[in-house]
Amino acid sequence: SQQGEEDPQALSIQEGENATMNCSYKTSINNLQWYRQNSGRGLVHLILIRSNEREKHSGRLRVTLDTSKKSSSLLITASRAADTASYFCATDAWDTGWRALTFGSGTRLQVQP
Amino acid sequence: DGGITQSPKYLFRKEGQNVTLSCEQNLNHDAMYWYRQDPGQGLRLIYYSQIVNDFQKGDIAEGYSVSREKKESFPLTVTSAQKNPTAFYLCATGLRNTEAFFGQGTRLTVV
Repeated sequence: SQQGEEDPQALSIQEGENATMNCSYKTSINNLQWYRQNSGRGLVHLILIRSNEREKHSGRLRVTLDTSKKSSSLLITASRAADTASYFCATDAWDTGWRALTFGSGTRLQVQP
Repeated sequence: DGGITQSPKYLFRKEGQNVTLSCEQNLNHDAMYWYRQDPGQGLRLIYYSQIVNDFQKGDIAEGYSVSREKKESFPLTVTSAQKNPTAFYLCATGLRNTEAFFGQGTRLTVV
């Protein structure tokens, strides 16, 4: 089952603009993570936010987490053409025991130069 | 050079044939995972292993099998029982409550 669902499914912006992607999930989590995937490649970890954190920054990335709404957002500021990729959220959670990361369906970001 | 290596990069399977995808890591991580990705979709968990000689089914384990005889290796066999195996397969390693590290993937095509 897909724990996380990203919104929007696709996003097209101009270079220099900000890009915001949202993720919703269903169960209690230990942490939520964001990954990036270039076409046909493996995933690269961007940022991890723990369940007791509300906001985290890393360079041009800003992640927020609202556990009461079971949602997270990823903001990429001052986007560049090189940011074009698919972005996935993933949750680390307990079910009947710990299980592997569960991924959402992703947001495909296109940054126009 | 530390990391996780998947091979081959491209694999072709005939109908009714079993094939094995390799995943090797030298990060000394206990946990290893296999995911399947269909075009334009997210990742779905096939199997995962938290320790040597132990593994658990994920959400779509039917038609797949794994083994974990060594900490460094977690091969995935796509059996003839998997009726729609064409997909991109990703292997990952990690530690509980931290980030996962992914290989570059194997693209499997049925011919």
